[in-house]
Amino acid sequence: DADVTQTPRNRITKTGKRIMLECSQTKGHDRMYWYRQDPGLGLRLIYYSFDVKDINKGEISDGYSVSRQAQAKFSLSLESAIPNQTALYFCATSDWRGDGNIQYFGAGTRLSVL
Amino acid sequence: RKEVEQDPGPFNVPEGATVAFNCTYSNSASQSFFWYRQDCRKEPKLLMSVYSSGNEDGRFTAQLNRASQYISLLIRDSKLSDSATYLCVVGGYQKVTFGIGTKLQVIP
Repeated sequence: DADVTQTPRNRITKTGKRIMLECSQTKGHDRMYWYRQDPGLGLRLIYYSFDVKDINKGEISDGYSVSRQAQAKFSLSLESAIPNQTALYFCATSDWRGDGNIQYFGAGTRLSVL
Repeated sequence: RKEVEQDPGPFNVPEGATVAFNCTYSNSASQSFFWYRQDCRKEPKLLMSVYSSGNEDGRFTAQLNRASQYISLLIRDSKLSDSATYLCVVGGYQKVTFGIGTKLQVIP
């Protein structure tokens, strides 16, 4: 089984809809991250969390919100989806005390907003 | 200036060739450096960490030059299976920044 699991793997939605992407991990890491990847722009950080009570905005947090429900779960919400949020979304974890900031990724969620 | 800059390529090389990628970074206080590999439509996976003294893992060698703020990746004896996008990653305590990646295509 994957250590970092993202659901759903693919999603098509319409403009204005609320959508939640979920991420769970069995690695026991404290840190969790959400990225989006667009062609020509690379991976960009949306939000990150060091523990349940510590959530931080990344470089492109506008239009997104997150919830860290437990150490193992970190969800990303698009309150009102728009077409330019069409992208590949990755969740990642890291263990600073263990091996620095090496990021371990889930398989990704491919989101299309029509 | 971007925090992490890479030549997006593509680099098209024949099997058996040696290929090198460079990456520059802007934050001189950066503490951690990595190369990741990403196959098409898949998640990035750690290829190797990069240390100041340089490090090697089989056919792969990574170097860090703090004075000039760049890291490099050398791939010797390229295999068809090395075809992928190679992401340069630079960071510190809180987070890391990814380059846009360099695409490598190894040709038979």
